[in-house]
Amino acid sequence: GAVVSQHPSRVICKSGTSVKIECRSLDFQATTMFWYRQFPKQSLMLMATSNEGSKATYEQGVEKDKFLINHASLTLSTLTVTSAHPEDSSFYICSASTRGLGNRAYEQYFGPGTRLTVT
Amino acid sequence: AQSVTQPDIHITVSEGASLELRCNYSYGATPYLFWYVQSPGQGLQLLLKYFSGDTLVQGIKGFEAEFKRSQSSFNLRKPSVHWSDAAEYFCAVGGLTGNQFYFGTGTSLTVIP
Repeated sequence: GAVVSQHPSRVICKSGTSVKIECRSLDFQATTMFWYRQFPKQSLMLMATSNEGSKATYEQGVEKDKFLINHASLTLSTLTVTSAHPEDSSFYICSASTRGLGNRAYEQYFGPGTRLTVT
Repeated sequence: AQSVTQPDIHITVSEGASLELRCNYSYGATPYLFWYVQSPGQGLQLLLKYFSGDTLVQGIKGFEAEFKRSQSSFNLRKPSVHWSDAAEYFCAVGGLTGNQFYFGTGTSLTVIP
């Protein structure tokens, strides 16, 4: 259980175009989804937190007009990188959060990541 | 402020040797602690978690971790490392009141034959 998928797993796009990445919780409803960015050999950098039906909360320094997040349902969140530039090339990982069974704490389940390359 | 520290950026061990990865946390409330493993180009897989109760928790792939409140630590251990354990390991702390996690910077594990 608690599987999160991401699509696509790998995408190459030209500079100036937009790319959409989907994150789905397959067998549970996620109260919150998170989007992370990871540079090579570094930890995860939280970009934004999104709750279903409301606007995403962006971390400081993350351009909300560039990284559009839509959380249309309890099982789907999308990240759109608009007007992509080579410096946006990175590994993007989403996670879906829900309360764990038998406890009150939240647990996060991670997608497999999306490798974005902007040429 | 909440934070997680993984003091070891990179560790190399021989196959069959024991392993301990260190994790220290700072958290203002009751911490919920996690260890994740990430293989190259992959997402994060949960190894184990601690919420309450027995401070020694067992996880998948033969890993265990011990919560020591007095030391604010949650170190990950494995008695005998396999070559397939080579990966990046992340410690994280979350909580009851919010669902945001705080990640450590990760420890890269290399296993030599």
